[in-house]
Amino acid sequence: NAGVTQTPKFQVLKTGQSMTLQCAQDMNHNSMYWYRQDPGMGLRLIYYSASEGTTDKGEVPNGYNVSRLNKREFSLRLESAAPSQTSVYFCASSEGGTTNEQFFGPGTRLTVL
Amino acid sequence: AQSVAQPEDQVNVAEGNPLTVKCTYSVSGNPYLFWYVQYPNRGLQFLLKYITGDNLVKGSYGFEAEFNKSQTSFHLKKPSALVSDSALYFCAVRDRTGRRALTFGSGTRLQVQP
Repeated sequence: NAGVTQTPKFQVLKTGQSMTLQCAQDMNHNSMYWYRQDPGMGLRLIYYSASEGTTDKGEVPNGYNVSRLNKREFSLRLESAAPSQTSVYFCASSEGGTTNEQFFGPGTRLTVL
Repeated sequence: AQSVAQPEDQVNVAEGNPLTVKCTYSVSGNPYLFWYVQYPNRGLQFLLKYITGDNLVKGSYGFEAEFNKSQTSFHLKKPSALVSDSALYFCAVRDRTGRRALTFGSGTRLQVQP
């Protein structure tokens, strides 16, 4: 069981470039999430998918789009990267329901120049 | 809106001493509360959660947390700290309306000195 995997681990972009962060989980979880982590601010939710075929905005969705490709995969796309999107991005999954803990991937460290 | 406050950016404790990492929350109604730990260059790992019932919750690696409804707190504790406990700790809250998103605190860095 790999748990939650994310690719790439590191990425450097120039302002205006686009990229997609990939996330996959092998725990048969219904719900998946994308967070960003910035110093002193904890984790902030970008988007989440409660189940296959659904996505919802979180706290900081501007500048991002997501795709729940199937039950296993949930990708995050930056269409036109900005320096303010320099951050560490974490994908997480859970069984769904409000009492279940989330399982996190190792993160993607993104720098936008 | 729900929120979490972790008032200490860093907590320093000597190995073998008890530790407390503080967390207070604000949410409509009764909360679901979680603690996560993050080691350097890793994702977050689940430690423990409070859903209902006993106010003292036991979790992984000897950690426990006490839910105090009147003080809206959920402090993380451990009777005897280890150097290997040094990490970043996050408290998180979710309300019971069915919304699945967690709200995280800003994190507290725990430094255990040998």
